[in-house]
Amino acid sequence: DIQMTQSPSTLPASVGDRVTITCRASQSIGSWLAWYQHKPGKAPNVLIYKSSTLQTGVSSRFRGSGSGTEFSLTISSLQPDDFATYYCQQYNSYPYTFGQGTKLELK
Amino acid sequence: EVQLVESGGGLVQSGGSLKLSCAASGFTLRSYAMSWVRRAPGKGLEWVSAITGSGDRRDYADTVKGRFTISRDTSKNTLYLQMNSLRVEDTAIYYCAKDVPPFDDWGRGTLVTVSP
Repeated sequence: DIQMTQSPSTLPASVGDRVTITCRASQSIGSWLAWYQHKPGKAPNVLIYKSSTLQTGVSSRFRGSGSGTEFSLTISSLQPDDFATYYCQQYNSYPYTFGQGTKLELK
Repeated sequence: EVQLVESGGGLVQSGGSLKLSCAASGFTLRSYAMSWVRRAPGKGLEWVSAITGSGDRRDYADTVKGRFTISRDTSKNTLYLQMNSLRVEDTAIYYCAKDVPPFDDWGRGTLVTVSP
């Protein structure tokens, strides 16, 4: 199985900051990586797919990059609504593993 | 409009069984793969199982293989997850999700609690 390692697990930040979350795959997954935002009591929301493609309707402040085994999600100019938990997910092969999550919290 | 509504969650003792349902509308299950994803308290998202649109292939996470079975009833346009030999660590909110990743349509989830 492909293991996905996300860092950091917690990220304190302030409104207006630019932050980056990284995700490392245990083996190459090409560009088959998605990023999700998850808030308590709600369904996860896909932000980025195929490593860097912005999902329709998602703010351009979210940017994904990477290929192979190293990926990142950058959020520029943090807004109050961005404070949530973020997950990467590989869909190169079953099982479609998620990273352990990064909780973006208000500093 | 795509809608996914999970049901069937509840409290069950360790070793017991539960069957979750996911009623789909706005599309036909026969045309799309479907997955179950869960989130345990204090933990991250975990992909659990998937079934192809044709129904001829089913995949499972190692943590549930041999205990959980994914299925569907195309006449009812409903996806199921039969969960047997439940463990305390299966306690989670279970979501169904449409198609292959990236999952852009999810249900709101149903809570499964397994007591010791």
